[in-house]
Amino acid sequence: DTEVTQTPKHLVMGMTNKKSLKCEQHMGHRAMYWYKQKAKKPPELMFVYSYEKLSINESVPSRFSPECPNSSLLNLHLHALQPEDSALYLCASSQVRRNTEAFFGQGTRLTVV
Amino acid sequence: GDSVTQMEGPVTLSEEAFLTINCTYTATGYPSLFWYVQYPGEGLQLLLKATKADDKGSNKGFEATYRKETTSFHLEKGSVQVSDSAVYFCALSELPGGGADGLTFGKGTHLIIQP
Repeated sequence: DTEVTQTPKHLVMGMTNKKSLKCEQHMGHRAMYWYKQKAKKPPELMFVYSYEKLSINESVPSRFSPECPNSSLLNLHLHALQPEDSALYLCASSQVRRNTEAFFGQGTRLTVV
Repeated sequence: GDSVTQMEGPVTLSEEAFLTINCTYTATGYPSLFWYVQYPGEGLQLLLKATKADDKGSNKGFEATYRKETTSFHLEKGSVQVSDSAVYFCALSELPGGGADGLTFGKGTHLIIQP
C-alpha cells in the first residue's frame, strides 16, 4: 500500500466555520507534512511532523492548527479562515532518513466563502 | 538557502516530439533530486529521483541525470504523448541530520502535448 488518503476531496466553508482536513497513510512513515498549493504555483510547506511531534511550522497563521494523533494520521483543523486561504491542501509522508521521497495524497480542494 | 530553478512554460509540443525541461539547483549540502508530476485536479506523483552525482533516474520513458558539476537535473523524454500533458516540478531534499524537513520545489513547468 503506497497510498496517502486525504478526506474530504472538496470542501466549501464560510469564514466563521470550523472544519478539519484528514490524512492517513499505512506505509509506516514517521514523517508527515502539510503543504498548501495555490493555482499555478508549487506546493508551499506548512508543517512537518516527525515521530508524531511538530518539528517545523513555517510561520503559518494560527487559524491553521495541525494535529498528529498517531503515526498513521494527520489532521489540519481550520477556523476563521479568509478567502485567500482557498487552495489545494496536500498531505505527504516519508521515511525519516536521507534520500527518501515523499508520497503525496490527492489533496483537498478548499474554498472559503 | 536551497533553491530550484526550472523553465516555467507553458511548453507546447506535438506528439512524438523530444522533450527537455531544464532544472538547476543551489544547495548548501549534497541534496537528493526529484521530478514530480501533477496531472490536472490531482496531487503530486513521484516521477523519478537521483540521490548522488551521475545517478540517472528513469520512469515511464522519462530520464534525468544528477550533474553535480553543473548543478542540474534536466528531464528528458524521447517521444512524448498527449497523456504526458501535466505540470512537472523539479525538487530537492536535504536531510543533513536525518530529520525530515520537506522538499524545496521549483515553480513548475506546464507541459501541453498536442495530437
